[in-house]
Amino acid sequence: GAGVSQTPSNKVTEKGKYVELRCDPISGHTALYWYRQSLGQGPEFLIYFQGTGAADDSGLPNDRFFAVRPEGSVSTLKIQRTERGDSAVYLCASSLAGGNNEQFFGPGTRLTVL
Amino acid sequence: RKEVEQDPGPFNVPEGATVAFNCTYSNSASQSFFWYRQDCRKEPKLLMSVYSSGNEDGRFTAQLNRASQYISLLIRDSKLSDSATYLCVVNMVPDMRFGAGTRLTVKP
Repeated sequence: GAGVSQTPSNKVTEKGKYVELRCDPISGHTALYWYRQSLGQGPEFLIYFQGTGAADDSGLPNDRFFAVRPEGSVSTLKIQRTERGDSAVYLCASSLAGGNNEQFFGPGTRLTVL
Repeated sequence: RKEVEQDPGPFNVPEGATVAFNCTYSNSASQSFFWYRQDCRKEPKLLMSVYSSGNEDGRFTAQLNRASQYISLLIRDSKLSDSATYLCVVNMVPDMRFGAGTRLTVKP
């Protein structure tokens, strides 16, 4: 079946601009996660949704980052006033529920801030 | 101290070699543990879960030592296709924490 999809696959923007990154999880998966991965590093946790609500947003680096999941399926990560340090691969993952269930990752969105 | 620490490598080994990766974690309340594999410019994929009793899946063996907060992955008879980055993952419910990964290159 269909896996986790993310769009766009690549996004190049200028410093100070606003970007939206989209994640479409596996159908039926109630848990959705956003991670950020920089070169040579492991994925860094950003935020976790259980259904429509953000169960844990402690990984968001500052208030320029925000994420929503209004209908409990598709999620959008929003970054305001982008900075060059925001350049990374943004990964989305979903699982049947939180806890110990396997997370399935999407292919990621490579964000480059010039 | 990082929540999950791994030796970054790289490990360069010949085909057929046995190689072991180690990982330590800081939160003693962590509930579950995993090894994920990540190929270059691809997303991470689950390799195996790690259980207290140790578990084996073909050429791969994972072990957990809760007292020492230590996880290991052993790969026997390594193949060229094992070349990848191996990520140690600790579930700190409700979310997971990833190590920086250990890079493995298996050479002919």
